[in-house]
Amino acid sequence: DAGITQSPRYKITETGRQVTLMCHQTWSHSYMFWYRQDLGHGLRLIYYSAAADITDKGEVPDGYVVSRSKTENFPLTLESATRSQTSVYFCASRRQGDETQYFGPGTRLLVL
Amino acid sequence: QKEVEQDPGPLSVPEGAIVSLNCTYSNSAFQYFMWYRQYSRKGPELLMYTYSSGNKEDGRFTAQVDKSSKYISLFIRDSQPSDSATYLCAMSAAKGGAQKLVFGQGTRLTINP
Repeated sequence: DAGITQSPRYKITETGRQVTLMCHQTWSHSYMFWYRQDLGHGLRLIYYSAAADITDKGEVPDGYVVSRSKTENFPLTLESATRSQTSVYFCASRRQGDETQYFGPGTRLLVL
Repeated sequence: QKEVEQDPGPLSVPEGAIVSLNCTYSNSAFQYFMWYRQYSRKGPELLMYTYSSGNKEDGRFTAQVDKSSKYISLFIRDSQPSDSATYLCAMSAAKGGAQKLVFGQGTRLTINP
């Protein structure tokens, strides 16, 4: 039972480059989420998705793009990375009717 | 001002102590309250879930919600070194739908043997 996985686990990139973080879940959960975690801010919601082809903005969406062509995948793209996007990114999923969000192991991103 | 405030600590206590972790919030629409535990370099995992005001107990953990004061607490009895982690409170105004959560900053807790 793989659950929810994220790749890569660590990424170093340069300002201005495009970066895509991958998220895959094996449970067929309807809802998927992307958060970033920064010191002093806790977890903040970037984007979420209620189902394939349905996405919506969270608290801090600027500079990010998401897509969800398949239920199990929810990639997050930084179109032109900035230093302020250095963070730990967590993907989560939730089954409809369940209060629990299940988090992936995170991707540590450093933008130089 | 943040919607959810949580003392980031760090908090260090001896094994066996009672630990109290707290969050305050400003949005009176919040009805669903959660505590997540996050071990170092791992994703958060749900520890406790409560609806509206009241207490909920699960083993050594007790969650309290006081909506009139906009204050929630997590108590850990007989704390163990394995409880050392960051504890995040989270809140939501709605159960259905996307359940958009608003998190506190997290409190880093260390239990010393």
